[in-house]
Amino acid sequence: QKEVEQDPGPLSVPEGAIVSLNCTYSNSAFQYFMWYRQYSRKGPELLMYTYSSGNKEDGRFTAQVDKSSKYISLFIRDSQPSDSATYLCAMRTNDYKLSFGAGTTVTVRA
Amino acid sequence: ETGVTQSPTHLIKTRGQQVTLRCSSQSGHNTVSWYQQALGQGPQFIFQYYREEENGRGNFPPRFSGLQFPNYSSELNVNALELDDSALYLCASSPGGADTQYFGPGTRLTVL
Repeated sequence: QKEVEQDPGPLSVPEGAIVSLNCTYSNSAFQYFMWYRQYSRKGPELLMYTYSSGNKEDGRFTAQVDKSSKYISLFIRDSQPSDSATYLCAMRTNDYKLSFGAGTTVTVRA
Repeated sequence: ETGVTQSPTHLIKTRGQQVTLRCSSQSGHNTVSWYQQALGQGPQFIFQYYREEENGRGNFPPRFSGLQFPNYSSELNVNALELDDSALYLCASSPGGADTQYFGPGTRLTVL
């Protein structure tokens, strides 16, 4: 079993829809949770960074963490074609090593 | 402020050869981490360097080695290349060992 599980999709939505992405994990020592966006053949770009359980909002993006269920989510409101990318969840304990999910490929249709 | 840069962008090698990839960290960052991302997969942690010392290593064989220089730039060296080493190699820098990591654009390595 992988430490971090993420549905690879692909996910296709019409412009303006809400995109819902999620990851589950098995290591209860994970304390820090991140979402990265990666465009084709580019490096990952940090979107959201959360520490505790609960919600964090930044513009059209909302990250949710439920440590009791070992489940994290990312919601993108009013999705745009420019949001078409692969979204990677990542997490770590108190040390340095990031553990990533496999990534979900999202296409927003104009 | 300059972000993380990597060179070269693309590289083609043959099995058994050796390769060196380079990374310049973001200004003010003293920590560099290297990741391997195979096609369709998430990045896998190779190792991290903090102030010129290896600070941790993932599940990669010893033929993957690295260096960090006094200006905090870094190199990833891979010896005896195998076909499975074909991947995007990502460098990430951070202000400290356990801080948020910011990624460079990557070097795409193809081993034939």
